[in-house]
Amino acid sequence: DSGVTQTPKHLITATGQRVTLRCSPRSGDLSVYWYQQSLDQGLQFLIHYYNGEERAKGNILERFSAQQFPDLHSELNLSSLELGDSALYFCASSAQGTPGNTIYFGEGSWLTVV
Amino acid sequence: QKEVEQDPGPLSVPEGAIVSLNCTYSNSAFQYFMWYRQYSRKGPELLMYTYSSGNKEDGRFTAQVDKSSKYISLFIRDSQPSDSATYLCAMSDLTQGGSEKLVFGKGTKLTVNP
Repeated sequence: DSGVTQTPKHLITATGQRVTLRCSPRSGDLSVYWYQQSLDQGLQFLIHYYNGEERAKGNILERFSAQQFPDLHSELNLSSLELGDSALYFCASSAQGTPGNTIYFGEGSWLTVV
Repeated sequence: QKEVEQDPGPLSVPEGAIVSLNCTYSNSAFQYFMWYRQYSRKGPELLMYTYSSGNKEDGRFTAQVDKSSKYISLFIRDSQPSDSATYLCAMSDLTQGGSEKLVFGKGTKLTVNP
């Protein structure tokens, strides 16, 4: 158990809908990352938050947004969902968000868009 | 050319074999190199973390980094059926905002047969 908690574990939704994925980082970690894992693209970095502020963006679609709250939990919002958004979404956390700090991954939220 | 290339396998070996996994990369800015292990439908788990070139050993696992060749390897000695998983190489550099961003290979699926 990495200590990173993600909910829900699985969800199925229809195209055009909106979903919210939730993440609680490890106790004491200030950084939260979101990654998307699909069969064809592998693990792709989406976005990084540190202590409530956005630090870096990867290949995150404009239909996707994220935030980190004062209690350090984070949410990833996915809207106008398309079939191609079906993937495993991972949240990860680290103490500081700089190299040298181990990044711990949660178990993932499996999204299926039908 | 992809930033990180990893042979997807699959790789099947008998128990007790020495396993060699490797990745090549194109971005000379990468300074931190990691190997993650991912069991089916689980989150990636950090196995080895190396900074710059050199070797690092941890039990049955040895990680090697050759920055001049842009090549990293993971060796598993005396492989066990419990080592059956997908192994992902990952590398990081700093984004412009000082954030660590991991770039992953697509993973090699390893099966160790009893």
